[in-house]
Amino acid sequence: QKEVEQNSGPLSVPEGAIASLNCTYSDRGSQSFFWYRQYSGKSPELIMSIYSNGDKEDGRFTAQLNKASQYVSLLIRDSQPSDSATYLCAVRGQAGTALIFGKGTTLSVSS
Amino acid sequence: EPEVTQTPSHQVTQMGQEVILRCVPISNHLYFYWYRQILGQKVEFLVSFYNNEISEKSEIFDDQFSVERPDGSNFTLKIRSTKLEDSAMYFCASSNLPSGGNTIYFGEGSWLTVV
Repeated sequence: QKEVEQNSGPLSVPEGAIASLNCTYSDRGSQSFFWYRQYSGKSPELIMSIYSNGDKEDGRFTAQLNKASQYVSLLIRDSQPSDSATYLCAVRGQAGTALIFGKGTTLSVSS
Repeated sequence: EPEVTQTPSHQVTQMGQEVILRCVPISNHLYFYWYRQILGQKVEFLVSFYNNEISEKSEIFDDQFSVERPDGSNFTLKIRSTKLEDSAMYFCASSNLPSGGNTIYFGEGSWLTVV
């Protein structure tokens, strides 16, 4: 059974701070890793994808991947109240095309 | 920007009835998916579809469920004899390639309430 684990939170940070979200996965053969943002009652919205070990930066967001440790993280710099949402880690395995999601971490950014 | 569209946005049905949820994937995409999310729970994979056949399905996708691409644009999920526990948000998604770094894009969802 492929599992993706996230701390459900809530993670509370003040406006302007760095938010750090973490995810671990069980399938060592996983190839692709994604972070989605989901507002309440809405669909998942892609923030970033990462496929190779190391860091990938896009604006205020940095994704980090460590395949040896089976660990993915997302850093949000200069957090804004509009970043308040649930962040979903999703992993695509080697064999199939399905994304497997974690339960998500709820982030609350206070102004 | 191209998007995945879903109808209806919300449907209420009586237990035991059949429901069809409809989706129009992004036009140049070849891979189609259905996911569901029960309120307060995680997004769960149901099925993937390529070249007019199911390419992968989860344990959730049992004989109660079926998918179809009836024409060149629509992709449907049929739920036969709905149960109370089928109440969930159902997301359609599509991608242009199955593997590597190809992103899956989600529709806005169809909220199904079984009473």
